[in-house]
Amino acid sequence: AQTVTQSQPEMSVQEAETVTLSCTYDTSESDYYLFWYKQPPSRQMILVIRQEAYKQQNATENRFSVNFQKAAKSFSLKISDSQLGDAAMYFCALRGSTLGRLYFGRGTQLTVWP
Amino acid sequence: DAGITQSPRHKVTETGTPVTLRCHQTENHRYMYWYRQDPGHGLRLIHYSYGVKDTDKGEVSDGYSVSRSKTEDFLLTLESATSSQTSVYFCAIGAGDRGGEKLFFGSGTQLSVL
Repeated sequence: AQTVTQSQPEMSVQEAETVTLSCTYDTSESDYYLFWYKQPPSRQMILVIRQEAYKQQNATENRFSVNFQKAAKSFSLKISDSQLGDAAMYFCALRGSTLGRLYFGRGTQLTVWP
Repeated sequence: DAGITQSPRHKVTETGTPVTLRCHQTENHRYMYWYRQDPGHGLRLIHYSYGVKDTDKGEVSDGYSVSRSKTEDFLLTLESATSSQTSVYFCAIGAGDRGGEKLFFGSGTQLSVL
């Protein structure tokens, strides 16, 4: 079984500050991928960042970076220099050996205050 | 939006009626997926396709069928809609070197079953 847990239903951050969203997962597979998706009020699902489990180096995409702790099965997302446009629901997702078969967490609603 | 179009964008129907949702892609990707999104559940996989006439079930496939007669179109059918199928439905395509490594989502269809 594969599960993804996001323990923070809501988070908030001041504009220009840094925030970290938590995600833990469980899988019996050795080859897997982890993702963070962003869903703004427009409902569009936007891929933020992806991490291959076999890579030790943490993925980075501009202001977004992850802290991947494989042994602890933890995959947190750090947003630096937060912007008003970062306000959205963020979903952590896990993919095992079946291509495209993602398992999602329940999401964290991020509010950004000016 | 990775060339994905979902139709309709919104639909209201009555219990017991058949409903078909359409997903159209313009980029000739082999892998296509249908997910549903419900509050408190994140996104869950309904069915997926890895080629024309090749489909398989996801974790919440009961009450749904799919068809893929052309690469560009993936149809999701609710044979007899129920209120529990009120949800937002997302189509996704799989892209990447190994096909399906990254998922790109359509804009979603809000379905209400009264």
